[in-house]
Amino acid sequence: AQSVSQHNHHVILSEAASLELGCNYSYGGTVNLFWYVQYPGQHLQLLLKYFSGDPLVKGIKGFEAEFIKSKFSFNLRKPSVQWSDTAEYFCASTGVLGYTDKLIFGTGTRLQVFP
Amino acid sequence: DGGITQSPKYLFRKEGQNVTLSCEQNLNHDAMYWYRQDPGQGLRLIYYSQIVNDFQKGDIAEGYSVSREKKESFPLTVTSAQKNPTAFYLCASTDRTGSYGYTFGSGTRLTVV
Repeated sequence: AQSVSQHNHHVILSEAASLELGCNYSYGGTVNLFWYVQYPGQHLQLLLKYFSGDPLVKGIKGFEAEFIKSKFSFNLRKPSVQWSDTAEYFCASTGVLGYTDKLIFGTGTRLQVFP
Repeated sequence: DGGITQSPKYLFRKEGQNVTLSCEQNLNHDAMYWYRQDPGQGLRLIYYSQIVNDFQKGDIAEGYSVSREKKESFPLTVTSAQKNPTAFYLCASTDRTGSYGYTFGSGTRLTVV
């Protein structure tokens, strides 16, 4: 079955530190990959997505992610975090079946950034 | 503005009662989804519908039911058979290809009292 794994459950960083959040997916076919962010008390927001093409994807707020097919990974990175990045981050994937497939989420990573 | 409206924002239910959560979208999206969010468990898929009058079970469908009689509406009923219904429920939708990502509603927090 299709699944998404996020190994970092809780990450604590100081401002200006670099961030990398791990994400691995299990689906062996063509996948679409997403990172979503949920700020406290707010909607889920799309940070970035990968469908095809350049495996290094740039998103909003200075985030980027790299799709590495051989490792089934789609890790999220930011070179220098800010206090405002404190939020929960979710990796998600769909399989491509010629129609909109279900979006499966990882368990999320809670990021706390201290000034 | 286009978007997804979930109502109510907060809902309290007595044990043994069925409740229905509303989800309406004006994005003309074909596919709609219901997720349940619990701390430490991420978002788990309850049901999804790719087209009107059709829907499929997700990973945790037991104790829930849905209908999709109109393209813009995908209500979720939490039945008395759901053993642990207290949670945050999110509705989402996407277009036929999913290429623009998924739009999420603001959620309904259900508490069983």
